Amino acid sequence: EDQVTQSPEALRLQEGESSSLNCSYTVSGLRGLFWYRQDPGKGPEFLFTLYSAGEEKEKERLKATLTKKESFLHITAPKPEDSATYLCAAEDAGGTSYGKLTFGQGTILTVHP
Amino acid sequence: DGGITQSPKYLFRKEGQNVTLSCEQNLNHDAMYWYRQDPGQGLRLIYYSQIVNDFQKGDIAEGYSVSREKKESFPLTVTSAQKNPTAFYLCASSIDRSQGRTFGSGTRLTVV
Repeated sequence: EDQVTQSPEALRLQEGESSSLNCSYTVSGLRGLFWYRQDPGKGPEFLFTLYSAGEEKEKERLKATLTKKESFLHITAPKPEDSATYLCAAEDAGGTSYGKLTFGQGTILTVHP
Repeated sequence: DGGITQSPKYLFRKEGQNVTLSCEQNLNHDAMYWYRQDPGQGLRLIYYSQIVNDFQKGDIAEGYSVSREKKESFPLTVTSAQKNPTAFYLCASSIDRSQGRTFGSGTRLTVV
């Protein structure tokens, strides 16, 4: 069974204090690893897709990396507006007909000024 | 602007009543999805549709029904058979199964 686990569940940072969020995944074959940002009461907003181990993508203060077992979302010098829940999801390349996407439970990030 | 519109944002339902959540997209995406989000849990797939007039059950379809009569629309009905319907419901679409999902802003359903 596909499984995605995110850690920590919650993370509190001071403004400017860099850190990383972890996403461990178990799928029969990874088609893609997705990162989303979700603000309270809103739908997830797409951030990155990673396809193969060693791949990295950056957007402003965020950088996502991928290994064969996990993905990291690195946040450099965060600002209060980076506070949100960050979701990761793994897409199984197995024989399903719809590209099964399994979501982690999310990491709630709070950045204090 | 292209996007996905979910309505209403908040919905209250009495026990025993069916209720329909609306989802409309103008992205020209073929695939559409309904997810349920509960606190501390990952998004769980209720139903998905890859083309008009076709849809498939996801992981937690019991107590829910959908239709896909138009490419742009994928309404979800929460029936009285759904034992724990209070949740945040998210509609999403993608250009095909290999792409990431674009999400709507969600509907929060509360059973009173």
